[in-house]
Amino acid sequence: NAGVTQTPKFRVLKTGQSMTLLCAQDMNHEYMYWYRQDPGMGLRLIHYSVGEGTTAKGEVPDGYNVSRLKKQNFLLGLESAAPSQTSVYFCASSLRGYSYEQYFGPGTRLTVT
Amino acid sequence: AQTVTQSQPEMSVQEAETVTLSCTYDTSESDYYLFWYKQPPSRQMILVIRQEAYKQQNATENRFSVNFQKAAKSFSLKISDSQLGDAAMYFCAYRTRMNYGGSQGNLIFGKGTKLSVKP
Repeated sequence: NAGVTQTPKFRVLKTGQSMTLLCAQDMNHEYMYWYRQDPGMGLRLIHYSVGEGTTAKGEVPDGYNVSRLKKQNFLLGLESAAPSQTSVYFCASSLRGYSYEQYFGPGTRLTVT
Repeated sequence: AQTVTQSQPEMSVQEAETVTLSCTYDTSESDYYLFWYKQPPSRQMILVIRQEAYKQQNATENRFSVNFQKAAKSFSLKISDSQLGDAAMYFCAYRTRMNYGGSQGNLIFGKGTKLSVKP
């Protein structure tokens, strides 16, 4: 049981490049989340999904897109990376919504130059 | 909108001593969850303790306990018998039970408190 895994762990992009971050969970969780963490800040929600095929915007969705084609995977895409997207990205999952603990992945450190 | 405030950017404690981390929050709701997460240098987010707002009894988990003051909207974390492995960033987080525009109870985090443990 690997829990929540994220690929890649580190990435450096140039401004304007695109990339996709992959989050996978093997706990059969319904809900999945993408957060970003910037220095001196707590985690902020980018997008989330309450089930396969459904996604919704969080607090800071601009510049990102997501997809949840399979229940166990949640992809975060950057179509045209900007330096402001330099951050550490965390994926999390929970069995259901508010009454269930969120389990976090190890994070992806992304640098956009 | 709900907000979470951690007023102590950094704290320090001597090994084996007790330390209390502060957290206040703002909400108009009556039913919600509060959490403390630990983030060591490995970056992994680890749930330390959880409190349900409708429960008056303060949650405890081994050396970790909370002082939940609902009327004051305060949720502090007490770490007893501090150990070197407790050194980390600690985040307080709020989670609504209500479904506002499909938010499904998303977590709202404070900015964190960096705890150092001196040997």
